[in-house]
Amino acid sequence: GAVVSQHPSWVICKSGTSVKIECRSLDFQATTMFWYRQFPKQSLMLMATSNEGSKATYEQGVEKDKFLINHASLTLSTLTVTSAHPEDSSFYICSAPPQLAGLYQETQYFGPGTRLLVL
Amino acid sequence: QKEVEQNSGPLSVPEGAIASLNCTYSDRGSQSFFWYRQYSGKSPELIMFIYSNGDKEDGRFTAQLNKASQYVSLLIRDSQPSDSATYLCAAPTSGTYKYIFGTGTRLKVLA
Repeated sequence: GAVVSQHPSWVICKSGTSVKIECRSLDFQATTMFWYRQFPKQSLMLMATSNEGSKATYEQGVEKDKFLINHASLTLSTLTVTSAHPEDSSFYICSAPPQLAGLYQETQYFGPGTRLLVL
Repeated sequence: QKEVEQNSGPLSVPEGAIASLNCTYSDRGSQSFFWYRQYSGKSPELIMFIYSNGDKEDGRFTAQLNKASQYVSLLIRDSQPSDSATYLCAAPTSGTYKYIFGTGTRLKVLA
């Protein structure tokens, strides 16, 4: 149990376009999901907390108008990188704590990540 | 500022040896701690978590927690080259599911 998927796994786009990344919890409900970004040889950086049915909470320094988050259902959160630029090229990873009996609910399970390259 | 600190490494151990990875934390309110393994180019995968003082064993992995010293460690017995990865220590901030991550320790197991 506690599987998180992401789509797409790879995306290449031109500068100025928008890119949507989906994060799905496959076998559990997730009222909260987290979005991280990771640059090469650096640690995970939390971007925002996605909350089902309400606005996302963004970390300091993350532009909410650039990184739009929508948590429309208990199993799906989306991150849209608007007007992407080369400096947005990174590895984007989502995670979710499960609401499953028998699993420690503070555990975060990570999706496989989406690698974004902006040309 | 609540922090989780790890030595970035690399920590090199010979195959078959015990690898010892350490983590300290600043928030005395932290109750649980998580160890993740991240291979290059992949997302983190959960190894184990611990929330009670003492040791917790799972296969070749043992997590150790000392709340008085604010210290968490992960021991990997019989280290294999496939264990070569970055190991991340994480603690949820009090009252939330949001993690504070350490910067990770890069482990190299030499064949």
